[in-house]
Amino acid sequence: NAGVTQTPKFQVLKTGQSMTLQCAQDMNHEYMSWYRQDPGMGLRLIHYSVGAGITDQGEVPNGYNVSRSTTEDFPLRLLSAAPSQTSVYFCASTKGGGGAYPGELFFGEGSRLTVL
Amino acid sequence: GENVEQHPSTLSVQEGDSAVIKCTYSDSASNYFPWYKQELGKRPQLIIDIRSNVGEKKDQRIAVTLNKTAKHFSLHITETQPEDSAVYFCAANSNSGYALNFGKGTSLLVTP
Repeated sequence: NAGVTQTPKFQVLKTGQSMTLQCAQDMNHEYMSWYRQDPGMGLRLIHYSVGAGITDQGEVPNGYNVSRSTTEDFPLRLLSAAPSQTSVYFCASTKGGGGAYPGELFFGEGSRLTVL
Repeated sequence: GENVEQHPSTLSVQEGDSAVIKCTYSDSASNYFPWYKQELGKRPQLIIDIRSNVGEKKDQRIAVTLNKTAKHFSLHITETQPEDSAVYFCAANSNSGYALNFGKGTSLLVTP
């Protein structure tokens, strides 16, 4: 198993450009999520999905779009990049912990995005 | 939404000492409380978690305690080693669901 794979690992954008961060997992996990990590701010939830065709907003969704057409893939789209979106982005997935409990989140290696 | 507060933001201990990190949460429906460790330049990884029906859980040198009434939980690391140096994050789930909200992290430094 490759686990959670994110691409690209590094990206530089100009303000106003659009791009998609790709995330794929091969563990058949129903739940997937995107976080951004900024110094001193911890991990902040952007969007998440509990299964194909179902997405919901997290704490900081503005400026980002997601879709979940398959169980494996959960891309994050920046429609018009802004300098405030400069961050490290992590995709994560879980199969759940049994019953109603979330269980361990498996993170990708992260994507470092710089918006000039 | 869920608010998770974590203290302290930095912690420095000598090798062999104990380290304690504390978190509070606001959502009374939260029922799952994990702790993640993130080494420099790496992805976060789960080190221990606790469910709301348990008051304490231990795994070798690491333990977590939960006080549901006070809505706080703590991570205890005993006999610290230099390789314990990392950023530690607590988290709690929202509305008993799968979405996790994280604290801002504690940078732990263990000096030999």
